Amino acid sequence: GQQVMQIPQYQHVQEGEDFTTYCNSSTTLSNIQWYKQRPGGHPVFLIQLVKSGEVKKQKRLTFQFGEAKKNSSLHITATQTTDVGTYFCAGPQFSNSGYALNFGKGTSLLVTP
Amino acid sequence: DTGVSQNPRHKITKRGQNVTFRCDPISEHNRLYWYRQTLGQGPEFLTYFQNEAQLEKSRLLSDRFSAERPKGSFSTLEIQRTEQGDSAMYLCASSLGTGVGETQYFGPGTRLLVL
Repeated sequence: GQQVMQIPQYQHVQEGEDFTTYCNSSTTLSNIQWYKQRPGGHPVFLIQLVKSGEVKKQKRLTFQFGEAKKNSSLHITATQTTDVGTYFCAGPQFSNSGYALNFGKGTSLLVTP
Repeated sequence: DTGVSQNPRHKITKRGQNVTFRCDPISEHNRLYWYRQTLGQGPEFLTYFQNEAQLEKSRLLSDRFSAERPKGSFSTLEIQRTEQGDSAMYLCASSLGTGVGETQYFGPGTRLLVL
């Protein structure tokens, strides 16, 4: 079945440093979504990418969808302590319905001041 | 608060007991999902409803698990004869049903511990 893999599993940065997490799928995705989960919290939707090669920005966050629609990345510029949490990418669980999500294991980001 | 709510937030039970969790989605959302999340993992899909119809089930959903959404509003997830391996966070999410890739809004989850 489809697998969504994320690297790295953990990342520890000093405040102000940049951070990138990568997501790779074994199959072509119709879309990919990114979620953030704070420690003790629940996943919160960040963004959805649909088009091949798409790039979207949200303030210090830049999201990319690969040309082959099998990989994606999230880059945070100049991290802040508020960026702490686990970042998940998710693709459609089933190719025929696409409604349920298949999450990667996430990248846990720790930012020290 | 008009977000997704789940009750209870925490549940401790003994192995072999039955437990039931409730999810109240955002009121106008017609799609409702259940996921399970264990430590260090991403949420794993369990099942999905569109209105009152249960349309998808994961193979993770053994016959000890049953979910209902009788009136297309709130949903319940029941686990019968709980096992220690059922210990996890059970997350509910809802969406508006506009198409593939729509935003899912997650509730705070019910954390289950089976002793």
